[in-house]
Amino acid sequence: SAVISQKPSRDICQRGTSLTIQCQVDSQVTMMFWYRQQPGQSLTLIATANQGSEATYESGFVIDKFPISRPNLTFSTLTVSNMSPEDSSIYLCSVGDLQGLSEAFFGQGTRLTVV
Amino acid sequence: AQTVTQSQPEMSVQEAETVTLSCTYDTSESDYYLFWYKQPPSRQMILVIRQEAYKQQNATENRFSVNFQKAAKSFSLKISDSQLGDAAMYFCAYRTLESYNTDKLIFGTGTRLQVFP
Repeated sequence: SAVISQKPSRDICQRGTSLTIQCQVDSQVTMMFWYRQQPGQSLTLIATANQGSEATYESGFVIDKFPISRPNLTFSTLTVSNMSPEDSSIYLCSVGDLQGLSEAFFGQGTRLTVV
Repeated sequence: AQTVTQSQPEMSVQEAETVTLSCTYDTSESDYYLFWYKQPPSRQMILVIRQEAYKQQNATENRFSVNFQKAAKSFSLKISDSQLGDAAMYFCAYRTLESYNTDKLIFGTGTRLQVFP
């Protein structure tokens, strides 16, 4: 399994500002994933972060709005830029395919409220 | 593209009773994984059970079991002897095995399960 630490666990931010969310894994992983969960809804993949290359974004998500860093095999950050109230969501990081396991493991999520 | 559908936004069950949550999916692939995840109010996503598509036998984990019907593309979760701690959002998820990005999960919209004493 994997232990994933995500910071901050929650934040309230002013519109127009940016927030960087950190995700630390206790083992080396090739891929890390960032999901958004809007209030009362399911998880939607924002992007896949590979170490040493640019993140791959899903349709509807762009790098200027959600820049991602992946400096090494155990760490990633997601920045939510120029925030608006519509960005209020839970953001979760995830890793998968550890030691041949099929399931994904998740951080505890960051609850973001934009006012 | 693959899709996952959960047609029950909310379900309720009495403690110690059995409840079944529905999930259907659409795919043209023959090999894939299916999962049920639980998300309690703490927001932590917890794996409940997994099923490999190539296995005909239904997966079972203690009080949790699935009814996997590959031809019908159905993957329901049965919770037996329900406990108060089972109350949570339950998400059905699909993982492809037939592309480079094989770790990506596609989630259903979720079912909120309430458990009454």
